[in-house]
Amino acid sequence: DTGVSQDPRHKITKRGQNVTFRCDPISEHNRLYWYRQTLGQGPEFLTYFQNEAQLEKSRLLSDRFSAERPKGSFSTLEIQRTEQGDSAMYLCASSPGSGGKNIQYFGAGTRLSVL
Amino acid sequence: AQRVTQPEKLLSVFKGAPVELKCNYSYSGSPELFWYVQYSRQRLQLLLRHISRESIKGFTADLNKGETSFHLKKPFAQEEDSAMYYCALMSTGTASKLTFGTGTRLQVTL
Repeated sequence: DTGVSQDPRHKITKRGQNVTFRCDPISEHNRLYWYRQTLGQGPEFLTYFQNEAQLEKSRLLSDRFSAERPKGSFSTLEIQRTEQGDSAMYLCASSPGSGGKNIQYFGAGTRLSVL
Repeated sequence: AQRVTQPEKLLSVFKGAPVELKCNYSYSGSPELFWYVQYSRQRLQLLLRHISRESIKGFTADLNKGETSFHLKKPFAQEEDSAMYYCALMSTGTASKLTFGTGTRLQVTL
């Protein structure tokens, strides 16, 4: 197991285009998180899945953003009609459970540049 | 609302000098706090968590509820400690999401 995997590592797109990112968590981790990190800031929580259920969404997640985890394994994050303000590093994290087991392991991230 | 403050963007120390990276938090519940580290060209990784009370790579951090602080300390800095350090607070809600500070870049020079 090589840890949390994210694809692509970099994405350059034009304003108004749709983009989709993929995250493969550590196997058997039932919790999956998406965070966004802009320059000079720490990661900010976007959304959380427990298995296939999306249980919490940040108000940062506008209706142009949608995330899925259809079979409780990998997850996708789609941004529709991208804007320049969407340019950021998108991080995925997974964890094995709650309480003492809830250590979040991060992927390398997908860097999005919207031109 | 929960908040994590790291007042220093950059901390530059000489090799062998003591290091203290400051972290203050604001949270109404019982906090669970972490330090994450990001070395150059690597992913964010957990350094330590307060409930473990362990020392990792010579670093320790003590939760001070009275001062709402969780400062990261190391008695003797090494070159390989140069990295970006993030303090994070985990909420006790269903999601157990992390709230991060803005990070402190530690630069250890010879």
